[in-house]
Amino acid sequence: QQPVQSPQAVILREGEDAVINCSSSKALYSVHWYRQKHGEAPVFLMILLKGGEQKGHEKISASFNEKKQQSSLYLTASQLSYSGTYFCGTEKGNYGQNFVFGPGTRLSVLP
Amino acid sequence: NAGVTQTPKFRILKIGQSMTLQCTQDMNHNYMYWYRQDPGMGLKLIYYSVGAGITDKGEVPNGYNVSRSTTEDFPLRLELAAPSQTSVYFCASTRRGAEQYFGPGTRLTVT
Repeated sequence: QQPVQSPQAVILREGEDAVINCSSSKALYSVHWYRQKHGEAPVFLMILLKGGEQKGHEKISASFNEKKQQSSLYLTASQLSYSGTYFCGTEKGNYGQNFVFGPGTRLSVLP
Repeated sequence: NAGVTQTPKFRILKIGQSMTLQCTQDMNHNYMYWYRQDPGMGLKLIYYSVGAGITDKGEVPNGYNVSRSTTEDFPLRLELAAPSQTSVYFCASTRRGAEQYFGPGTRLTVT
């Protein structure tokens, strides 16, 4: 079942902060975050695993509430390069099965 | 280290034709995935594999077939192409509990 993302779209000025949310009705093993620019492949940002382990880029932060099956991606002091579509992806098991992406959040950062 | 490679980059098919999209990774990843992405939409999982000889259906498998005879290769076969299969196809690979590495994508048009 596809995770739900909010908001669908957000417009920021450079330097502003944003939060993107992802929620699932299923118990999750992991939540992934990717950014995709137009015409390109998705690029990895962050993975949050059940049990608290996180892997990702230094300038990106995220949280994973295992009880609520919710994750949030925090973008602080946004830059023009942050523009793109952000997808969360969820997997129920730890063997790669049933990986599902959310519908995406379109982020535009203006000068 | 080339990562994930996909061929061809672009292809135009006539209705009813068949083709194979190639995907190869050189990172010795066990898990491989095929996604399709329609314009302005998210990624939908077509098929995935957790190792050589093991494949399973994702969300949208109808009209496609896969095989995994080696760790490196995960080809996607389209039989009897239909206009609804016009999309961008991404292949990805990963190891357990880690981020997915995406190929550059194949843009397919069926007319």
